[in-house]
Amino acid sequence: EIVLTQSPGTLSLSPGERATLSCRASQSVSSNYLAWYQQKPGQAPRLLIYGASSRATGIPDRFSGSASGTDFTLTISRLEPEDFAVYYCHQYDSSPRTFGGGTKVEI
Amino acid sequence: EVQLVESGGGLVQPGGSLRLSCAASGFTFSSKYMHWVRQAPGKGLVWVSRINTDGSSTSYADSVKGRFTNSRDNAKNTLFLQMNSLRAEDTAVYYCATHPAMDVWGQGTTVTVSS
Repeated sequence: EIVLTQSPGTLSLSPGERATLSCRASQSVSSNYLAWYQQKPGQAPRLLIYGASSRATGIPDRFSGSASGTDFTLTISRLEPEDFAVYYCHQYDSSPRTFGGGTKVEI
Repeated sequence: EVQLVESGGGLVQPGGSLRLSCAASGFTFSSKYMHWVRQAPGKGLVWVSRINTDGSSTSYADSVKGRFTNSRDNAKNTLFLQMNSLRAEDTAVYYCATHPAMDVWGQGTTVTVSS
């Protein structure tokens, strides 16, 4: 199975700062079938990015995704107060589907 | 509005069974593969199972294979997860989500396995 390793585990930043989250896959993810989700306490995950770099419907353009080989990055250009949450990457290339362990973005 | 609503969670003893439901609306349910994902308290997301459009093909995580059954009723726009031989480690919030990139999620239903 494809193992996804997210780093860092926790990112401590202030509103207005730039956040860079990493997700490394243990093997190639075909067609960049890699997604990013945001989850706030007590809520279901929300899709932010699919296909490694395409924003989901209604997602602000301060969120962007990129890929380089087996390394994937989620960037939040300027953190808004509502962006403090946990972020997960997920590969939907092969079965079993797998998720990264998450990165918590905190103030 | 596209919506998924899970139900059926609760407290069950080890070895017991539960049947979760996921009611879909706002989209053509019968044309969508569907997934179940779970999240143990304070932990990350774990994929559980996938089902194809007509229910003829399913796949499962090794941790639930042989104990859980994913099924659907397209006439009622409903997805099911039959969970048997439940263990303490199955305690989690269970979500249903759409294929392929899980763009729509339900609010989750909580399953607690404890004596």
